[in-house]
Amino acid sequence: ETGVTQTPRHLVMGMTNKKSLKCEQHLGHNAMYWYKQSAKKPLELMFVYNFKEQTENNSVPSRFSPECPNSSHLFLHLHTLQPEDSALYLCASSQADGTDTQYFGPGTRLTVL
Amino acid sequence: AQKITQTQPGMFVQEKEAVTLDCTYDTSDPSYGLFWYKQPSSGEMIFLIYQGSYDQQNATEGRYSLNFQKARKSANLVISASQLGDSAMYFCAMRDHGSSNTGKLIFGQGTTLQVKP
Repeated sequence: ETGVTQTPRHLVMGMTNKKSLKCEQHLGHNAMYWYKQSAKKPLELMFVYNFKEQTENNSVPSRFSPECPNSSHLFLHLHTLQPEDSALYLCASSQADGTDTQYFGPGTRLTVL
Repeated sequence: AQKITQTQPGMFVQEKEAVTLDCTYDTSDPSYGLFWYKQPSSGEMIFLIYQGSYDQQNATEGRYSLNFQKARKSANLVISASQLGDSAMYFCAMRDHGSSNTGKLIFGQGTTLQVKP
């Protein structure tokens, strides 16, 4: 595997389900990010992790719970989501948190019924 | 507040022609970076090109070049010799390098480019 990978690529879930999105980077980076891309809206940053520590939570509802066990893996745990949470969730990584270029994964397209 | 504006929702270009995608930005920080990403229908955001606010020359990467006009706060992407595979959504993004920065990228609304054969 190379670059940034995300699984699953597509996910359909009900509002009462609990699911997790996984992101893995194979670039030796130290910072990882979650973004949300809704239809007809710009990408929105959700969370930033730098050396496994969360450095930004962009006022994200608690039904989204991130986890970063190490610099290569990032999870987004989902529970009791709403239909308006349906979107493309993109993971990115960079060498360090700050001025470096972010490289993105292919995204998970989430549909909440 | 930081802001990125892409005023062209959609653009068409003939194959092998050049095309310019517009991007204007607003920031009060003197140190910042500007990025362009390409997003095909598959969804992945592909990094294309970067311009730092203190870079003296316009950035170039193969067929991509960035027309950076600092006084006008514009960072237009120029794609030369368009190919059918260039059809995608293109996003301009900015990150300031202020002390409170956590790597946050601010994205524009995007421009859909369609290359005609």
